[in-house]
Amino acid sequence: DAKTTQPNSMESNEEEPVHLPCNHSTISGTDYIHWYRQLPSQGPEYVIHGLTSNVNNRMASLAIAEDRKSSTLILHRATLRDAAVYYCILRRHGANSKLTFGKGITLSVRP
Amino acid sequence: NAGVTQTPKFQVLKTGQSMTLQCAQDMNHEYMSWYRQDPGMGLRLIHYSVGAGITDQGEVPNGYNVSRSTTEDFPLRLLSAAPSQTSVYFCASSFDGNYGYTFGSGTRLTVV
Repeated sequence: DAKTTQPNSMESNEEEPVHLPCNHSTISGTDYIHWYRQLPSQGPEYVIHGLTSNVNNRMASLAIAEDRKSSTLILHRATLRDAAVYYCILRRHGANSKLTFGKGITLSVRP
Repeated sequence: NAGVTQTPKFQVLKTGQSMTLQCAQDMNHEYMSWYRQDPGMGLRLIHYSVGAGITDQGEVPNGYNVSRSTTEDFPLRLLSAAPSQTSVYFCASSFDGNYGYTFGSGTRLTVV
């Protein structure tokens, strides 16, 4: 399975945008880029996923590089509630696909 | 619509005991998975299923059994509990291979 690389941690200020990077240089053509987050003492929560084009939903935006070797999760306006571990995961398209977590990036939000 | 329901929320076992962690979903999801998360660590995949009657091993399957007799339920069995199995266990489900997973709230297991 292709791997992702994320920084260990990042800090942001409340009400400012946050850009969480992810490198996946060995991504294959059938790998979707998924992002999950895990708030303290809770189970993971799906955030967004995409294949080639940038994606937006109510929680975040996903910007995917043209060569697909990197992506960025964008939180447009960080709140204290966004402090969590964010996981960037590659998931192969189609049957029998697994979701395998790495270490993620810990986002801290300063008031 | 309850989502993914895990029971129990907390459990203490003695070494050597067996037990079953229950997981049920009411979203008609085909894909279901079990993960464990040790303190300060990421999630590790134990077993997963892509439909009733179909299961496969994940990264850390030893000491655990699963079966999937219905779409709704995916129980995880600990055959002979060991202190190394002390962890938080999460169950998750997904409509298919191309959708996001919904996670349960977890079962905190302590083996003494």
